[in-house]
Amino acid sequence: ETGVTQTPRHLVMGMTNKKSLKCEQHLGHNAMYWYKQSAKKPLELMFVYNFKEQTENNSVPSRFSPECPNSSHLFLHLHTLQPEDSALYLCASSPQTGGGEQFFGPGTRLTVL
Amino acid sequence: QKEVEQNSGPLSVPEGAIASLNCTYSDRGSQSFFWYRQYSGKSPELIMSIYSNGDKEDGRFTAQLNKASQYVSLLIRDSQPSDSATYLCAVNSEYGNKLVFGAGTILRVKS
Repeated sequence: ETGVTQTPRHLVMGMTNKKSLKCEQHLGHNAMYWYKQSAKKPLELMFVYNFKEQTENNSVPSRFSPECPNSSHLFLHLHTLQPEDSALYLCASSPQTGGGEQFFGPGTRLTVL
Repeated sequence: QKEVEQNSGPLSVPEGAIASLNCTYSDRGSQSFFWYRQYSGKSPELIMSIYSNGDKEDGRFTAQLNKASQYVSLLIRDSQPSDSATYLCAVNSEYGNKLVFGAGTILRVKS
């Protein structure tokens, strides 16, 4: 595997379900990010991790819970989501934080019924 | 005021023409500027980075930066139908360790 991978690529869940999104980067980077992309809206930064430590939470509702066990892996745990949470969820990584180049995974297309 | 602004388009150009995409930003302290290309249903792909005033060329792509006027542009020469995509401008935030993205410009290259 190369670059940034995400699983699953597509996810359909009910509002009462609990699911997790997984991201793995093979680039040796130290920073990882979760973004949300809804139709016709700019990318919304959700969380930033640097060396496994969360450095930014962009006022994200608690029904989204991130986890970063090491610099290569990032999870987004989902529970009791709402239909308006349906979107493309993108993971990205960069060598370090500080606004440098970020490289994106393929994304998870999430549909909440 | 939006931090990074782009014309949403669509910008339509004929095949072989030059496509010009523009982006303005509000944070005067920004130092890093990026252009991403996003095909429909896919994730953003980094195509250009620029850090200094002036032009930076890479193949058919030229990024132009003017910090005094707070704008960055992307020129695509000899546009091809395969260039049809949404182009996202991203600028680093001086006060945060993050990139701020514009909403993107849709480019359509017609053969």
